[in-house]
Amino acid sequence: NAGVMQNPRHLVRRRGQEARLRCSPMKGHSHVYWYRQLPEEGLKFMVYLQKENIIDESGMPKERFSAEFPKEGPSILRIQQVVRGDSAAYFCASSPNRGYNQPQHFGDGTRLSIL
Amino acid sequence: TQLLEQSPQFLSIQEGENLTVYCNSSSVFSSLQWYRQEPGEGPVLLVTVVTGGEVKKLKRLTFQFGDARKDSSLHITAAQPGDTGLYLCAGPQYNFNKFYFGSGTKLNVKP
Repeated sequence: NAGVMQNPRHLVRRRGQEARLRCSPMKGHSHVYWYRQLPEEGLKFMVYLQKENIIDESGMPKERFSAEFPKEGPSILRIQQVVRGDSAAYFCASSPNRGYNQPQHFGDGTRLSIL
Repeated sequence: TQLLEQSPQFLSIQEGENLTVYCNSSSVFSSLQWYRQEPGEGPVLLVTVVTGGEVKKLKRLTFQFGDARKDSSLHITAAQPGDTGLYLCAGPQYNFNKFYFGSGTKLNVKP
């Protein structure tokens, strides 16, 4: 039973380029959360999606960042025109539903480095 | 400002010692979760506490949820090098649309 898969594990981009981060949730999970983590810090919520819908994007910058979770295929976090401050680890988590008894399962993240 | 404050930020101890780490908030949470994260990996859920005053045990780890559901603690007995990692607490928004994470306690257990 495969866990949450994120790719690529490492991504290097130059300033101004686009970064696309992919997250395939666990089988049967239709809820996806994206988080950002800086070194030695906790995770900061970015966006929560269900299949084909963005439910809460209050943690995601309004410019340059977008997320989607199509009916078929992985969830995508897209960062346009990247800047040095976008360098971080980005994690996604999936769950079968919402609620305290619906634990989030995390992937191993994508480490984004901006040159 | 962090909604969940964790202390201490760093902890370095010898194998066999006991330790307690704390997760505090001025807000009430319906539940709190504890995760452990190792370098290069995603967080792994250890436990969810739901009821005020609840105590849960996971081998040498004991988790407690405060009576007012504003704080939680994690106590490790006879720490081992394998316990080394970043310990994170997290709490949900009322509708579970988002989770708030503390900044973590980085634990190093020396053999």
